[in-house]
Amino acid sequence: ETGVTQTPRHLVMGMTNKKSLKCEQHLGHNAMYWYKQSAKKPLELMFVYNFKEQTENNSVPSRFSPECPNSSHLFLHLHTLQPEDSALYLCASSQELTTGREAFFGQGTRLTVV
Amino acid sequence: AQSVTQLDSQVPVFEEAPVELRCNYSSSVSVYLFWYVQYPNQGLQLLLKYLSGSTLVKGINGFEAEFNKSQTSFHLRKPSVHISDTAEYFCAVSDASGGSYIPTFGRGTSLIVHP
Repeated sequence: ETGVTQTPRHLVMGMTNKKSLKCEQHLGHNAMYWYKQSAKKPLELMFVYNFKEQTENNSVPSRFSPECPNSSHLFLHLHTLQPEDSALYLCASSQELTTGREAFFGQGTRLTVV
Repeated sequence: AQSVTQLDSQVPVFEEAPVELRCNYSSSVSVYLFWYVQYPNQGLQLLLKYLSGSTLVKGINGFEAEFNKSQTSFHLRKPSVHISDTAEYFCAVSDASGGSYIPTFGRGTSLIVHP
């Protein structure tokens, strides 16, 4: 039990599909993050939310659309993805962005685009 | 802007031998430093953190790290490794240079423990 739960753990989708990744945290945190982890590449920060407001969009293509309805939930909506989008998508949360405390990660969603 | 360099992409070591995984960072302001471990197909798990105080930080699974401000380093050490320590290790730095603390991660070091 990490306190941050991601669903699904694995997802295979075609390039024309629409799917969503879900992240839920039970830690009372106010900052949530999406990271992309591809083989042989460093962790790429995608989006950051602080108190439900998006504070970072790291030049992510519009086929990735985040949503943060409340401080406990974060979604990543996917549509018309490309094979190079196949990766492990990690959600994380932290207390909030002005405290510098550590981030807690979910188990990740392994996405394969076919 | 902050950045993190993990000099070794892979570190092979024999079981029960000591190990050091190197991490250097660059930042113009005060920093918070972290080491995370990632097992295959899992998320990142916090090993230890430096926020303030003693420069020698002890973490889980027998790991420790030392913050060296003059050398801008935060190397991770373990005196005797086990097979189960085989994993990917990430160093991360967080500072408020952009107005908020968002961690930046190194590229990771793959620790491979041989029997």
